[in-house]
Amino acid sequence: SAVISQKPSRDICQRGTSLTIQCQVDSQVTMMFWYRQQPGQSLTLIATANQGSEATYESGFVIDKFPISRPNLTFSTLTVSNMSPEDSSIYLCSVEVSSGANVLTFGAGSRLTVL
Amino acid sequence: DQQVKQNSPSLSVQEGRISILNCDYTNSMFDYFLWYKKYPAEGPTFLISISSIKDKNEDGRFTVFLNKSAKHLSLHIVPSQPGDSAVYFCAASVNQGGKLIFGQGTELSVKP
Repeated sequence: SAVISQKPSRDICQRGTSLTIQCQVDSQVTMMFWYRQQPGQSLTLIATANQGSEATYESGFVIDKFPISRPNLTFSTLTVSNMSPEDSSIYLCSVEVSSGANVLTFGAGSRLTVL
Repeated sequence: DQQVKQNSPSLSVQEGRISILNCDYTNSMFDYFLWYKKYPAEGPTFLISISSIKDKNEDGRFTVFLNKSAKHLSLHIVPSQPGDSAVYFCAASVNQGGKLIFGQGTELSVKP
């Protein structure tokens, strides 16, 4: 299955700032998925990123807060904008193990702490 | 509304014994169920899955059971090993590859 690299692995951010998380996959994939895990909570899908089109956001998540780029078939970025302490979470990038499969491979995640 | 629930936040088991992790769901449209394991500072890794047309799937020490009438699935680990200590997430999907609905996780501790 694909190998996913995420940067940064962790960061401490000030309230009101924005941070961009990068996700690099070692093979070309059609869709990339961004998840969030808030402290003590389950993983929640933020959006699906397709190359060449706008990301599709889940209920409760908006593009102004979480803009996503997908410039090619191996790379995506997620920006967390105007951060508040409630944005302190682990953000995870994932891809399907194989096209159409129900199984996802996840990156190691980016742990953000907002002060 | 939590569609997938893992009601036990933690479980402690002796090495060599069976670990049973439970998961309940509310959406009868779910047709695929998965278990993931997560170590600290790592992303979740896929463990085992089951389609809604089956009631059991086995892979080595890991077996997943699905009871559709009760909307309940469980993961059995036999025998449990200290390396199995991790957080286990149950997840479900409705015929959509990337949209998985996760439970809150159960932290398993296997004592030597």
